[in-house]
Amino acid sequence: GQQLNQSPQSMFIQEGEDVSMNCTSSSIFNTWLWYKQDPGEGPVLLIALYKAGELTSNGRLTAQFGITRKDSFLNISASIPSDVGIYFCAGQLSRAAGNKLTFGGGTRVLVKP
Amino acid sequence: EAQVTQNPRYLITVTGKKLTVTCSQNMNHEYMSWYRQDPGLGLRQIYYSMNVEVTDKGDVPEGYKVSRKEKRNFPLILESPSPNQTSLYFCASTPRGQISYEQYFGPGTRLTVT
Repeated sequence: GQQLNQSPQSMFIQEGEDVSMNCTSSSIFNTWLWYKQDPGEGPVLLIALYKAGELTSNGRLTAQFGITRKDSFLNISASIPSDVGIYFCAGQLSRAAGNKLTFGGGTRVLVKP
Repeated sequence: EAQVTQNPRYLITVTGKKLTVTCSQNMNHEYMSWYRQDPGLGLRQIYYSMNVEVTDKGDVPEGYKVSRKEKRNFPLILESPSPNQTSLYFCASTPRGQISYEQYFGPGTRLTVT
């Protein structure tokens, strides 16, 4: 099936740092979504993007829908310990596919020891 | 409280012993879906259902069955589980036709097949 390439696979954060992660695809997506998963829980939606070029914020999180519609990035500003978790990008190819989402492999965010 | 529930949360079983993982949502959502999560692979869709009695294969349907007899329930059935089905499973639901593609995920079921 369709693959989304998400990078980095993992990263360490220090409190107060800005961090970013991105997702790329060889196919065009109509919708990009970013989810966060805490240990022992299901993913929770952070930001949804519906138009190419769209830049959307949710508190300290900012995400952009790439102009080519083949990529998206997520930035976290002034990171705090509770930002630790796994972040997933997800895309929808077309509305004809219903609400089917394709997920990236995830970026695991850890705190620097 | 609006939620998606899954049972059991943890299950250890042996190869070949049929099992069912239940999923229920109380939000009257039309669309429901099952995913499996494996390290480095993200979430991959197993089956989805657009409405009652309407189900279709996702990306990795082999070895799984589903049914949708009622709107709120969408059980995942493993007729003859094998070790490669050891994984973390998530059920999700969303209102059909809504412009937001937010999927509400359940808490997950960790399955181990020995």
